[in-house]
Amino acid sequence: KAGVTQTPRYLIKTRGQQVTLSCSPISGHRSVSWYQQTPGQGLQFLFEYFSETQRNKGNFPGRFSGRQFSNSRSEMNVSTLELGDSALYLCASSPGASRMNTEAFFGQGTRLTVV
Amino acid sequence: SQQGEEDPQALSIQEGENATMNCSYKTSINNLQWYRQNSGRGLVHLILIRSNEREKHSGRLRVTLDTSKKSSSLLITASRAADTASYFCATDLGNTGKLIFGQGTTLQVKP
Repeated sequence: KAGVTQTPRYLIKTRGQQVTLSCSPISGHRSVSWYQQTPGQGLQFLFEYFSETQRNKGNFPGRFSGRQFSNSRSEMNVSTLELGDSALYLCASSPGASRMNTEAFFGQGTRLTVV
Repeated sequence: SQQGEEDPQALSIQEGENATMNCSYKTSINNLQWYRQNSGRGLVHLILIRSNEREKHSGRLRVTLDTSKKSSSLLITASRAADTASYFCATDLGNTGKLIFGQGTTLQVKP
């Protein structure tokens, strides 16, 4: 089985621009979560999607948004980029509807640099 | 704020030695998970221990959980250079789809 695939792997953007990151979960997985990792704040939860619906959202400004498609692929978008948005963005997938006692399978991440 | 606090922040040992990492958390949990991250890459799931379990083993890994103290430990026995990585604990509060990560322990295993 192919793992979680994130594209692109690296991205450089200018302040004020917007960016879209993509995540393809493991085949058959229907839940996708997004995390931001920075040296200062560590790993922080952005949001979780299941069956095209956002089920949970972290404490991030509205510039951060996401969506999930019918094939479970997910995208996250960051508008009006700020220098502080530079981070490793990680996507994780989980098998099904139940959130109880399930491990998350992470992709390799997208390294976003805002200049 | 982070749910999990890990100790130590950094650990350096010789190959063949054991490595112990500790994690403390603040609120009641459904389960606690440990992940490994190699040099800024993706996270790899190591082990999940449920709140009603006290100890779990997987190969050279041993995890304990003390819910009364709100703490967990990860023991890696007979460490190898390939174990060099950052290790994170993550708490699952149950039915939220959200993991709350600690700041991580950076482990260096010298050959």
